[in-house]
Amino acid sequence: AQSVTQLDSQVPVFEEAPVELRCNYSSSVSVYLFWYVQYPNQGLQLLLKYLSGSTLVKGINGFEAEFNKSQTSFHLRKPSVHISDTAEYFCAVSRAGGSYIPTFGRGTSLIVHP
Amino acid sequence: EAGVTQSPTHLIKTRGQQATLRCSPISGHTSVYWYQQALGLGLQFLLWYDEGEERNRGNFPPRFSGRQFPNYSSELNVNALELEDSALYLCASSLGQGTYEQYFGPGTRLTVT
Repeated sequence: AQSVTQLDSQVPVFEEAPVELRCNYSSSVSVYLFWYVQYPNQGLQLLLKYLSGSTLVKGINGFEAEFNKSQTSFHLRKPSVHISDTAEYFCAVSRAGGSYIPTFGRGTSLIVHP
Repeated sequence: EAGVTQSPTHLIKTRGQQATLRCSPISGHTSVYWYQQALGLGLQFLLWYDEGEERNRGNFPPRFSGRQFPNYSSELNVNALELEDSALYLCASSLGQGTYEQYFGPGTRLTVT
């Protein structure tokens, strides 16, 4: 079975500053990786995904993530955040070629201050 | 294209009652997933339906059940409600087996008093 650890439960940052949200996973087999965003009182929206190919993945809203197999990490980054990026961010992992049911991390609350 | 829809938005029940939550997937999607998002616990997988069949269930008691209809919409039933069932219940859909990308609805907030 796979597991996901989001190392920070809350990340406060000022507007226009860069941000990194950390995600580490554990799996004995190849994985697919996802980042989702949840705005207040809404469902989850897919930000980006890594299935194969380039380890640097670009997503919506200016976010990107890098898959690092040796460190089993999939950290999410944005060079300059906006107030509107304030939300809960979830990292998720699925077993490649196997279960279609992802395992989610507990989430990181990104709080952008003016 | 319409997204995943869920009803009702909010549901208030008392302990011991039954709750029924509904989900309509994106047109063309055959798989529906149900998740429970309780405060501080992240998303916990409940049930997966595909082509009308239950394909997998998470580590939840049998009083959590559901079904998928011929039009691929789905219903989640929770019997004998307990206070700890209070949570946001999220439905997601996908194109079916072989696809990993899920699209989520806005959720149903269930409060058990």
